[in-house]
Parts: sequence; structure tokens; C-alpha cells
Amino acid sequence: SQTIHQWPATLVQPVGSPLSLECTVEGTSNPNLYWYRQAAGRGLQLLFYSVGIGQISSEVPQNLSASRPQDRQFILSSKKLLLSDSGFYLCAWNRLANTGELFFGEGSRLTVL
Amino acid sequence: DAKTTQPTSMDCAEGRAANLPCNHSTISGNEYVYWYRQIHSQGPQYIIHGLKNNETNEMASLIITEDRKSSTLILPHATLRDTAVYYCIVRGSGNTGKLIFGQGTTLQVKP
Repeated sequence: SQTIHQWPATLVQPVGSPLSLECTVEGTSNPNLYWYRQAAGRGLQLLFYSVGIGQISSEVPQNLSASRPQDRQFILSSKKLLLSDSGFYLCAWNRLANTGELFFGEGSRLTVL
Repeated sequence: DAKTTQPTSMDCAEGRAANLPCNHSTISGNEYVYWYRQIHSQGPQYIIHGLKNNETNEMASLIITEDRKSSTLILPHATLRDTAVYYCIVRGSGNTGKLIFGQGTTLQVKP
């Protein structure tokens, strides 16, 4: 069966520090991968999606970047965190590329102080 | 993708059916209706989706009006564990599968 893992689960970082959140999917190949963010009390915002290795599409301009170095690995990064980067970050994948049935990870809660 | 309108919040008594409405009056012919829910501090969970026929699975039923401008998600026997934010999303077919989430409906199931 397919599984998706994110880490770390929680993270507290000072303003200006770097960030790396990692997501891996197991049990499937060539998944579409997604990063969403949910700020406190807000809805889910799509940040990036990827249809293949090295292919990244950004949905909104921001202080973050994404990379996909391997087929089932998706990384969210920042060189210098801002207070506004705080939130709940969720990675997701598609079972089939042309459907809207997404499977989400457990999430990574980031607090920037 | 078409926008959706949902009530901000709803209450439901435990054991009763929860009927969550969604308006999507600008939906086009090739757009599907998806429903997800998000329990506090967890990732969203896929519930069901449909194009124009009513759909049912082990979690819920989806009723889509004939003109497809609105739909209703039905949880037949709500439990306390169904308390969550429910999102109605309209999405066209495509090769990325990306979903744009709105604010959803916060369903509170009460004992």
C-alpha cells in the first residue's frame, strides 16, 4: 500500500534561519506531489506542485522554494524564514495524475519566532 | 476552476444525518465536484467526488442537482468523530490534479 511521510512534525525556528521540510511517498511511482500551507485560522493554500523529477510549479510568489531530487521525494525550503512563514505545511500526492483524489501527509507545524 | 460557496458552520446531532450544501453555479461541463474533510491538526481526507450522477461510498453520499449548480454531501449517521471542516471543491480534469481549497464548512456534531 502507498504511504506518505513528512518530517519533522514540529519545528520552531528563529526569523532569518533556513528551513527544510521533507516529504516522501512509498509504494507508488511517478506521483504528482504538492505542498500546501495552512496559516492559523486560515484555509489551505497551494504553494507548489510537481509532475516529475526536477519539475516544480509555483502557485504563489513567496519566500519559499521546492525541489524534487528523486521521484518520490519533495522538499520545501527557505534560505531565510519570515514570521509570516509560520503555519501547518502539508504534503500530498495523487494516486492517478488526472484525478483530484489527493492523499495528504501528517503535516509539519512550523513556528517562526 | 469554478468557485464554490459553503455555509461557514453547521451543527448536527449525533446519530442524525448531516447534510452539507455547496453552491457551484459557474461549474462547467467537464468539472467534477470533490469533497474533503479536515479534522483539527490533521491533513485533509478525501471523501467522495462526482460529475453529474449521485455517488455513494462507505463514508458518505453525494447528491448533485440536475443542473449541477449545487450539491449536498450527506453523512447518514453523524458521529462525534465527524466533527471537522468540510471542503467542497470543483475541479476540471487535467494532468496535475491540483486542488484549490476554500474556507469550507465547520461541522460540529453534538451529543
